[in-house]
Amino acid sequence: GNSVTQMEGPVTLSEEAFLTINCTYTATGYPSLFWYVQYPGEGLQLLLKATKADDKGSNKGFEATYRKETTSFHLEKGSVQVSDSAVYFCALDRDDKIIFGKGTRLHILP
Amino acid sequence: DGGITQSPKYLFRKEGQNVTLSCEQNLNHDAMYWYRQDPGQGLRLIYYSQIVNDFQKGDIAEGYSVSREKKESFPLTVTSAQKNPTAFYLCASSIGWSLHFGNGTRLTVT
Repeated sequence: GNSVTQMEGPVTLSEEAFLTINCTYTATGYPSLFWYVQYPGEGLQLLLKATKADDKGSNKGFEATYRKETTSFHLEKGSVQVSDSAVYFCALDRDDKIIFGKGTRLHILP
Repeated sequence: DGGITQSPKYLFRKEGQNVTLSCEQNLNHDAMYWYRQDPGQGLRLIYYSQIVNDFQKGDIAEGYSVSREKKESFPLTVTSAQKNPTAFYLCASSIGWSLHFGNGTRLTVT
């Protein structure tokens, strides 16, 4: 079946560090891939997306590339800020449903 | 401003009582969803509706019921048959690739 696996947290980094949050997926066909972010006390927001192989989604300094050969969609940011502290969810869209990973909590220290 | 409103933010009920969570959207989206979030579980789909007067079960529909009599509204009833109802519930709507979430309702059943 379709599923999303992302690295377990929490991930704790110092401000200005490089961030990678791993995400791999299992799906039939060619799903669209997403990263969502949930800031404390808020609902989920779409961070970025990619709809086909080799697409790169980017927003707010975050990037992720749709790698079909490795079935991955890792989230990266070159220099994190305290305000990036949140929970990040990787997701795929398939068969009119969106399937989420378990979420990775990111904590950035000043 | 367009958005999704979930109410109330916190809800407390005694075991054995049914409780209905409200979700209203003014985004004119056709599709609406209910998710449940438990620590370490990520988001799990309870029910979804692609159009008025039609809805489908998600992965964990047992013990829940929904209705979609109006495009704007997708209330979720947590019945006494739900064995572990205490959780954070998120309502969402979608159009195209973008999923919009409410701020959630935290339900505590004692």
